[in-house]
Parts: sequence; C-alpha cells; structure tokens
Amino acid sequence: EVQLVESGGGLVKPGGSLRLSCAASGFTFSSYSMNWVRQAPGKGLEWVSSISSSSSYIYYADSVKGRFTISRDNAKNSLYLQMNSLRAEDTAVYYCARDPGLPPDWFDPWGQGTLVTVSS
Amino acid sequence: DIQMTQSPSSLSASVGDRVTITCRASQGISNSLAWYQQKPGKAPKLLLYAASRLESGVPSRFSGSGSGTDYTLTISSLQPEDFATYYCQQYYSTTYTFGQGTKLEIK
Repeated sequence: EVQLVESGGGLVKPGGSLRLSCAASGFTFSSYSMNWVRQAPGKGLEWVSSISSSSSYIYYADSVKGRFTISRDNAKNSLYLQMNSLRAEDTAVYYCARDPGLPPDWFDPWGQGTLVTVSS
Repeated sequence: DIQMTQSPSSLSASVGDRVTITCRASQGISNSLAWYQQKPGKAPKLLLYAASRLESGVPSRFSGSGSGTDYTLTISSLQPEDFATYYCQQYYSTTYTFGQGTKLEIK
C-alpha cells in the first residue's frame, strides 16, 4: 500500500524555524516527484513546493520563496520541508503528496497532514 | 501564475440530485485539470485527472468535462457520502494552483 506520513509540525513563534518530514512507503520513492501543499484553517489548498525525483528541479510558491527549502533523501524514502522566518500566515496543515507520473502532474496520494501553528 | 476560479463556492443539494461544479482557468490549460474531494479533517482525495479520466475506485456517478479554460465536475445522483468540499487543480504549469473550493452541503 502506498503511504505518506508527515511529521514535525507543532507550535513555533514568529521568526522561528521548523523542519517537516514525510516518510514514504509502498512505492519506489526515488522514481517520483514530490510536493508540499498546505491548507490554512478553514481555507483552501495552496501548493507550496515541488521537487523532482533526483532533486534536479525544484519549484516554490512566491509566498514561501527564500524562506522554505524542499529536499529529499531517496536512500531514506523521505521528503523534507525546512521552514525558516515563519509568519502567522504560514499557519496551516501541511500535506505531502506524490506526482503519480511525469510532472507537471496531479497529486496522488496525499499524506494525512501535519499542523504547523505560528504564534507568539 | 494561472488563476483558477471555481463556482459556486457553496451549494445545497439533496440526495439523488444532479450537481455541477465549474472551474475556469485564467488561460488555456489543455485538459491539465484534476478534481479532488475533501472531507473535514481528512486529506484531499483524487477523483478525476486529465479533466475527464476517473481515478480507479471512484464511483461512476462522478464525471468531468471541458476544454480550454472551462471545466466541470458533475455528480449524477448525490449520495450521502458525497457531501464534502471539492477542489479543482491545474497542472499545466509547474506552479500549480487550486480553485478556492466548493462546499457541497445537504439541503
């Protein structure tokens, strides 16, 4: 079974940092592009960042560019999101999601999400 | 970035009704459109991709159509488990964008 499990969320003060992880299982992780998508409380979905299978191509939403860094470790079947200079507006559930084919592509499956709260 | 405008933002309907949700892109996206269903507290679930291709395991009462900039999701006969929020997503560009969502509620 294909599975994505996020971790690392929590409460952080404005200006702080947090590193999210996404553990993948049930598929050949190194063959797929991966993504982070977030959802602020009561709001819609916002794509955050994408990384290709070999980390050759990386993309960011303008809202996080220069503050967030996406990375992956194919040997550990893991995806990461390093979040620096956090702001209140970064408060959201963060989902990791797989590109099922050649990007750009739709997202399937998604993890269950991890909540990041930025507040003093 | 490509803007996705979804309508309506909310919709009340009854079990057995046929409902249609519309998504309009700010430029042509060549059928590079997916639809997702999200229930409270859960991750989004893929329903359709390439505008009209049904994901495996998704009931056939869900269908999609459209071309160019205008796309629709239709549920032919609403079931109780279909009351949820629906999102469209364009993947024509690597700066992916979602519609703002349509909350489908029980009348």
